Formats: sequence, structure tokens, C-alpha cells
Amino acid sequence: NAGVTQTPKFQVLKTGQSMTLQCAQDMNHNSMYWYRQDPGMGLRLIYYSASEGTTDKGEVPNGYNVSRLNKREFSLRLESAAPSQTSVYFCASRGGWTGGESTEAFFGQGTRLTVV
Amino acid sequence: EDQVTQSPEALRLQEGESSSLNCSYTVSGLRGLFWYRQDPGKGPEFLFTLYSAGEEKEKERLKATLTKKESFLHITAPKPEDSATYLCAVRDSNYQLIWGAGTKLIIKP
Repeated sequence: NAGVTQTPKFQVLKTGQSMTLQCAQDMNHNSMYWYRQDPGMGLRLIYYSASEGTTDKGEVPNGYNVSRLNKREFSLRLESAAPSQTSVYFCASRGGWTGGESTEAFFGQGTRLTVV
Repeated sequence: EDQVTQSPEALRLQEGESSSLNCSYTVSGLRGLFWYRQDPGKGPEFLFTLYSAGEEKEKERLKATLTKKESFLHITAPKPEDSATYLCAVRDSNYQLIWGAGTKLIIKP
């Protein structure tokens, strides 16, 4: 079972360069998320997509854009990378509700991005 | 402001030495409290969901409990393979997840 797959796993960018982080899930989940994780801080939500065709800003959206390409894929784009965007980026997906309970999120392995 | 605080930041135990990790929270309209485990270089992996005060869940050497203000993750007779960072998150009334910074647990053989 692949679950949530992120590419690339590692990336080094120069300030001002652009790149797209790819995420795909094979669990038929409706909701997908992009988080960043920095030392000493909790995961912070960048953008999310509650269903195919919709996207919404999270806690720290500035400098990022997203595309929900289809139900499986949710990409994160950095248009002009800055050193402050050096971080580990995680994509996650979630099915929704089962038996009245909110289902858990499944995470990818992460993309370690360094902006120099 | 909704907030999640985990303590301690790091915890070193000998193999077999039981202890507890704390997750305290202030949130309007709790819609669930989640515990995850994160190994180095990997994404978080789901452990438990708790919904109401007094609820408890167990998995192997781990037991999670919930009160109105905090949750504890009890680790009984831990083994070196339990070493990881343990993350706590709460879902608020807007169904958004708020994450704590985690507790790094090191179990020495």
C-alpha cells in the first residue's frame, strides 16, 4: 500500500527559484493538506483542499500556491523561494468521517527543502 | 487563542522505566485529540483519537487518556524501539488541527 507519496524527498533551491512539490494519495480520500514542520514548532498548515475542486488557505499561506489537480493529486508551488521557506514539507490526506468520528490523517514521508 | 503545549520537550528513559508525556490544550469546542508518532526522517503516524473527558485507549505499551484540559500518553515498560517524537494535535470547532511541538522520547537499552 503506497498511501501518500511525495516527490521529491530532498531539494536545494537558490533564492528566487521556483519549484513544485508533488503529492499523490491512493486511498480515495476527499481531503488533502500541505504542512510545514520547523524545529521546535508544531506542524503548521499551509493550504488544504476539502474536496476535489476546492482549496483554502491555512495558517501560513504566504509565498505558496496550490493546485488540486484531481482527487488523487495535490501540488504545492513556491513561486520565488526565500530562505525562510527552508523547512520540511508534509502532505497529508484524510477520508472524512466514519461512524460519527473524524478519521485520522495519513502523511507522506516529507520533502526536505533548503533555500540558499 | 487555541493552543497546544506538549511537555517535556525531551525525555530520556532507561528500558523498562515507565513514564508519561503531557499534552495540554486550550481550544474552543474540542472535536477530537490526536496522538501521532514520528520517526526521524519520516512523516507522522497515527496512534490514537480521543473525543471526550475520561476516554482511554491502549495500543501495546501505550495508553492515552483525556481530561477537559489535557491528555497523557502513558508508556509502560518501554523498549528502545519506542524511541520517537510523539505529537499531539487537537481539532477545534472549525475542524482545523492545531499541533503541539512534540516530545522527543529516547529509550536507552
